[in-house]
Amino acid sequence: SYELTQPPSVSVSPGQTASITCSGDKLGETNTCWFQQKPGQSPLLVIYQNYKRPSGIPARFSGSKSGNAATLTISGTQAMDEADYYCQAWDSSTVIFGGGTKLTVL
Amino acid sequence: EVQLVQSGAEVKKPGESLKISCQGSGYSFTSNWIGWVRQMPGKGLEWMGIIFPSDSDTTYSPSFQGQVTISADKSINTAYLQWSSLKASDSAMYYCTRLDSSGYSHWGQGTLVTVSS
Repeated sequence: SYELTQPPSVSVSPGQTASITCSGDKLGETNTCWFQQKPGQSPLLVIYQNYKRPSGIPARFSGSKSGNAATLTISGTQAMDEADYYCQAWDSSTVIFGGGTKLTVL
Repeated sequence: EVQLVQSGAEVKKPGESLKISCQGSGYSFTSNWIGWVRQMPGKGLEWMGIIFPSDSDTTYSPSFQGQVTISADKSINTAYLQWSSLKASDSAMYYCTRLDSSGYSHWGQGTLVTVSS
């Protein structure tokens, strides 16, 4: 299996745009999902199939992919967006998670 | 409403066996794969494996193959994760999650497993 690499931490000021990247050798061959996890809570799917938002996820969350890199973008970041974010992809019939990125809203 | 309800926290000793559960409701339990995810304290998400409750077809992550057993009882809409001999390193939060056309869109509340002598 391969690895998905995320930056350990990203900081952003309220109202600004936060970008979290995820890279992997085979990422271009599979769809990418993104999860948000706040302390003490279960993960929450915020982006699936690279750029689609599940019902109930605010429009400020968006996803994109180029080659072997995917990006989660949060526009107009709010304090409530402070959380850990994980990318996720498939490798054949198994699933891989990135190491996670702690988003701090300063 | 789709719900995945997991069994409660467990405290076990090394070498003991354990089976935790995940009961689905609000959908046809046999129509969706159920996955299990480990999260060790302060660490990231690790995918352990997945089961299709209709026929119990199962796939394990290479990292967890032989270390745990995933099973399901479709008659009671429940999936299981079990260990035959726990180790201290099995201490973690374990989540079940349902796979659908959007990916892993529904998650259980998690089961905390503590293994300590």
